Amino acid sequence: AQTVTQSQPEMSVQEAETVTLSCTYDTSENNYYLFWYKQPPSRQMILVIRQEAYKQQNATENRFSVNFQKAAKSFSLKISDSQLGDTAMYFCAFMKQFGQGAQKLVFGQGTRLTINP
Amino acid sequence: DTGVSQNPRHKITKRGQNVTFRCDPISEHNRLYWYRQTLGQGPEFLTYFQNEAQLEKSRLLSDRFSAERPKGSFSTLEIQRTEQGDSAMYLCASSLGDTDTQYFGPGTRLTVL
Repeated sequence: AQTVTQSQPEMSVQEAETVTLSCTYDTSENNYYLFWYKQPPSRQMILVIRQEAYKQQNATENRFSVNFQKAAKSFSLKISDSQLGDTAMYFCAFMKQFGQGAQKLVFGQGTRLTINP
Repeated sequence: DTGVSQNPRHKITKRGQNVTFRCDPISEHNRLYWYRQTLGQGPEFLTYFQNEAQLEKSRLLSDRFSAERPKGSFSTLEIQRTEQGDSAMYLCASSLGDTDTQYFGPGTRLTVL
């Protein structure tokens, strides 16, 4: 079974700073997908960024980028020039590529990120 | 709004009552997932539909839980004889294909008194 671990329950930074959220995972699969989702207070979960394990290039989406280290099973999220609207719970999630049944997401425990003005 | 919608957004019920939640996925998405999220935790998978077929259920889904997707469009999740331990946020997500990104609805927050 796959597991996802986020070792930072809470983080807090000043607006415009850069922050990195950590995620490690455990799997015996070789092909899979990794995601970062953002869940703002009282709002729905939205996708921040997605990484395919077969791609060596790290995914980027505007101010959001990942550092994907497949051998180390590490998938960190870097938020550059942080904004007040980035305040949210951030979840790292794993999804296998192949197999029977649901391609369900396996989530970490989350990191509560607060951006201070 | 073409996103995933869920109703009701909040439900307060007394222990022992039955409750039903509804999820309307993005219209062209034929994969639909239910997850449960307790306070301070990440979501956990409950069940999965491909079109109208329920193809997988988690062991978290006890006999008191039943889910349907009768015409392959909206889905309902029913909890019978609710218990205080059922209090949680129930999230629905949909995707176009098996490995496509799952898009989440706003969730239904259930409180069992």
